[in-house]
Amino acid sequence: NAGVTQTPKFRVLKTGQSMTLLCAQDMNHEYMYWYRQDPGMGLRLIHYSVGEGTTAKGEVPDGYNVSRLKKQNFLLGLESAAPSQTSVYFCASVRRPGGGVEQFFGPGTRLTVL
Amino acid sequence: KNQVEQSPQSLIILEGKNCTLQCNYTVSPFSNLRWYKQDTGRGPVSLTIMTFSENTKSNGRYTATLDADTKQSSLHITASQLSDSASYICVVGGTSNDYKLSFGAGTTVTVRA
Repeated sequence: NAGVTQTPKFRVLKTGQSMTLLCAQDMNHEYMYWYRQDPGMGLRLIHYSVGEGTTAKGEVPDGYNVSRLKKQNFLLGLESAAPSQTSVYFCASVRRPGGGVEQFFGPGTRLTVL
Repeated sequence: KNQVEQSPQSLIILEGKNCTLQCNYTVSPFSNLRWYKQDTGRGPVSLTIMTFSENTKSNGRYTATLDADTKQSSLHITASQLSDSASYICVVGGTSNDYKLSFGAGTTVTVRA
């Protein structure tokens, strides 16, 4: 089991460029999440998905889009990158949400927008 | 607004010593509280998960406590090791759904030989 993997690990973009971050999990989890982590702040939820073909907005969705065409993959897109989107992005998955259920995180993607 | 405050922001301890990290939250309604360990350059990894009916949970040298009345939690690290150097994040679930998680900013622990 690879768990949760993220591609790429690092990326540098220029303002206005677009890119897609890929998250993949091999645990057959229903729920998947995209977070961003900025210095001195807690992780913030960008978008999430409760199953294949479904997505929903989180706390900070502006400037991002997502897709969940396959259960194992959750894609995060930046259509026109801005310096404010410089951050570390984490994907997470969980079999089902609940008080005692562990959420598994990927290793992160460090994105710099110049 | 739901908030999770952690203290101290950072601390340095000598190998073999104990330390305690604090977490205060204002999340309501409350469902569960988690402590995660995040090594530099890695994703968070779960240490403990407690629901409102639990007041202590251990995972090896890590012991978490929860006081749901005062909305406080602590994470105690016993006999610290160099590998304990990491950021420790307190996370509070406001409902049974994970997308309602509120994350603290973390406490950075540095263990020195």
